[in-house]
Amino acid sequence: QSVLTQPPSASGTPGQRVTISCSGSSSNIESNYVYWYQQVPGTAPKLLMYRNHQRPSGVPDRFSGSKSGTSASLAISGLRSEDEADYFCAAWDDSLSGVVFGGGTKLTVL
Amino acid sequence: QMQLEESGPGLVRPSETLSLTCTVSGGSISSYYWSWIRQPPGKGLEWIGNIYYSGRTNYSPSLKSRVTILVDTPKNQFSLRLNSVTAADTAVYFCARDAYSNDYIGWFDPWGQGTLVTVSS
Repeated sequence: QSVLTQPPSASGTPGQRVTISCSGSSSNIESNYVYWYQQVPGTAPKLLMYRNHQRPSGVPDRFSGSKSGTSASLAISGLRSEDEADYFCAAWDDSLSGVVFGGGTKLTVL
Repeated sequence: QMQLEESGPGLVRPSETLSLTCTVSGGSISSYYWSWIRQPPGKGLEWIGNIYYSGRTNYSPSLKSRVTILVDTPKNQFSLRLNSVTAADTAVYFCARDAYSNDYIGWFDPWGQGTLVTVSS
């Protein structure tokens, strides 16, 4: 059971907006930065969002991140077929003194 | 552009020690934390631990009793040792550059391509 909770799946049609949630607690999301990773099956994860809502260079502005209290979310607008992947959230946990991940959300573009 | 590459045996016997090395190229290992992360087949990501270039470490509480992470700055490498392995340790093991500051641990970029380690007799 993952410390951070994500829905196991999400889906949308091309052009739609989808949101993936990440729920945690006061010891992780509420008090530390949230990071998002995109993983195409068979490849290494790729940093998608850092410090809650900042995009690394090369990540399209269709991707956006937000955080409120003990929850965070990743939004993808203008959905494209190449967005089909697994998405993971991560944060430092003060109680565990370690990085915790969400269980991952498999995004399907219909 | 910085690149990371994992190396080590792909098969480890139960109860033995898993040993992997991550070689960093295109940049210095100094001034950053460096992490090991694993992913069992078909499952999610699990953080194993990290090391600062100075040698300071953080380990996952669930693996702490079995894990050692070391850094070799002259060789621009860091390594993972996981002892007393079982089939549950079968996973793809990734190395990644972590944050430059304690405030940002969890900021993994870039990642190595990963290496599958199978624990089996």
